[in-house]
Amino acid sequence: AQKITQTQPGMFVQEKEAVTLDCTYDTSDPSYGLFWYKQPSSGEMIFLIYQGSYDQQNATEGRYSLNFQKARKSANLVISASQLGDSAMYFCAMREGFAGANSKLTFGKGITLSVRP
Amino acid sequence: NAGVMQNPRHLVRRRGQEARLRCSPMKGHSHVYWYRQLPEEGLKFMVYLQKENIIDESGMPKERFSAEFPKEGPSILRIQQVVRGDSAAYFCASSPGLGFYEQYFGPGTRLTVT
Repeated sequence: AQKITQTQPGMFVQEKEAVTLDCTYDTSDPSYGLFWYKQPSSGEMIFLIYQGSYDQQNATEGRYSLNFQKARKSANLVISASQLGDSAMYFCAMREGFAGANSKLTFGKGITLSVRP
Repeated sequence: NAGVMQNPRHLVRRRGQEARLRCSPMKGHSHVYWYRQLPEEGLKFMVYLQKENIIDESGMPKERFSAEFPKEGPSILRIQQVVRGDSAAYFCASSPGLGFYEQYFGPGTRLTVT
């Protein structure tokens, strides 16, 4: 089974509106972390936000927030007040186990977001 | 504090040649991860190294690929006798170590095999 699933086709959003990018995950480990990365057309990977499995509150970082629904195993990224510079590929990723001995990340296939002026 | 450095940024090799990709982690980071991104795909884990040790190479192809992270100098991902299917973006990420969850990614090396 896929560990990280991102199934949305290319997403479009109007500038200044909010958009939700979906991510579901699969793990039997009670300790894990969920990440979102942004990859613009220039190709670099930019860390956006992190959610630990034991965190009581949803993570927020500026215009980014993570809608963490543990029972549903979903970790959707919400971008508020979209900007043209948000147009990029977005990847959801998971680390299983505690941050420590081996923190390799498993990535989804990504979602393309296009922001319209 | 400089970020993760990778060089070269672009590398073109003919089939059968060797490719050497370098990664200098952030200052103070002793953990390095290599990932490969095929076109239109997410990143796939290849190998995890600490200084002078390979911790997890479960994502490395069995042949032609090797990685090292010596006591001094950058981490090297080496691909021998490259084939067209090796064409991809190779990313390096570094982490301070135990207890730190975030991995800081370099800009990647785009390998093209002709």
